[in-house]
Amino acid sequence: NAGVTQTPKFQVLKTGQSMTLQCAQDMNHNSMYWYRQDPGMGLRLIYYSASEGTTDKGEVPNGYNVSRLNKREFSLRLESAAPSQTSVYFCASSGFGRGAATGELFFGEGSRLTVL
Amino acid sequence: AQSVAQPEDQVNVAEGNPLTVKCTYSVSGNPYLFWYVQYPNRGLQFLLKYITGDNLVKGSYGFEAEFNKSQTSFHLKKPSALVSDSALYFCAVRDGGSQGNLIFGKGTKLSVKP
Repeated sequence: NAGVTQTPKFQVLKTGQSMTLQCAQDMNHNSMYWYRQDPGMGLRLIYYSASEGTTDKGEVPNGYNVSRLNKREFSLRLESAAPSQTSVYFCASSGFGRGAATGELFFGEGSRLTVL
Repeated sequence: AQSVAQPEDQVNVAEGNPLTVKCTYSVSGNPYLFWYVQYPNRGLQFLLKYITGDNLVKGSYGFEAEFNKSQTSFHLKKPSALVSDSALYFCAVRDGGSQGNLIFGKGTKLSVKP
């Protein structure tokens, strides 16, 4: 039972490089999310997708793009990485929107990104 | 706007003693409240949630939380702490405007000493 799977787990980039974080869930959830976690700041929402084909900005979307490839997959792209994007990134999914308005989020194990 | 506050950066407890991790919230409408735990280098794991009903909610690993509407609090509790409970704990509230998004507190590090 994989749940939410993120790749890669670790990545080091140079300023200006691009990369994509991949996320897939096998729980047939409608909603998917990307958060970043920084020390002392909790988790902050970058983007979310309420359903296949829709995406919306969260609290800190600048410098990121997302794609909801299908119901299972939700990718996060950094087009031109900056040191301020050094963080731990978490993908999550939820059954919200399928009669489960109070559904909790299920998280992946995280992707640790360092931008030099 | 919905928000949660965790007033303590760190809580230290001796093994076997009761523990409390505090959380207060600010919401418009009915609060949907959650607690998550994060062990080092891992993702967040769901512990429990309050949606409606009994003010005392029981969750995983022997944890429970008490919803107090008058004090706008949702404190996490456990009667007898274990060393293995040492982790980072997050309180969260559902964002009424977004599609199921949660707004997280800054987290409280729980340290349980033998």
